[in-house]
Amino acid sequence: AQKVTQAQTEISVVEKEDVTLDCVYETRDTTYYLFWYKQPPSGELVFLIRRNSFDEQNEISGRYSWNFQKSTSSFNFTITASQVVDSAVYFCALTPRDGQNFVFGPGTRLSVLP
Amino acid sequence: EAGVTQSPTHLIKTRGQQATLRCSPISGHTSVYWYQQALGLGLQFLLWYDEGEERNRGNFPPRFSGRQFPNYSSELNVNALELEDSALYLCASSLYSGVSYNEQFFGPGTRLTVL
Repeated sequence: AQKVTQAQTEISVVEKEDVTLDCVYETRDTTYYLFWYKQPPSGELVFLIRRNSFDEQNEISGRYSWNFQKSTSSFNFTITASQVVDSAVYFCALTPRDGQNFVFGPGTRLSVLP
Repeated sequence: EAGVTQSPTHLIKTRGQQATLRCSPISGHTSVYWYQQALGLGLQFLLWYDEGEERNRGNFPPRFSGRQFPNYSSELNVNALELEDSALYLCASSLYSGVSYNEQFFGPGTRLTVL
């Protein structure tokens, strides 16, 4: 069975603070894909990143960075110098290579206060 | 390039009625996914269609059904509506080669309210 856990239900930070959103997953597949999506108040999910299980390199994209650690089954997401526009619900997701099962975590609601 | 589109934006029905939701994928995408996002429950996977066939379905009763048309657009039908079916229904599309899996692009959703 596959499972994605986002233990942080809600996080509030003040603008310009750094914040890390945790994602822990469970899967028996050796090949799988991990994703992060952002859902702003408008409701439409926005794709942020995809990572396959063979690529453990961390990635940085502007103020966003991702730390994939297979040893701890974690795929954490850090926002540096947060901004009010970062306020949204963030979802971590997992799927095996054949795409037969899609599992999203419960989401973390991030509020960035001015 | 147009994104994933969904119609209608809002839908109000009463218990026992049927609802039909529609989705048009990004041009070139063959896979369409449906999710239910009920308040406080996150995204629950409903259905996956690829090349006109149902590939997988989530843990939902049979009154949730759908289809994919030759142009890859899709319909989600919910029969015998219940109050707890009230939710945001999200459609997503992606390229699926059968070997690797690509990210899903989501539409704006259809908010279904069952009275």
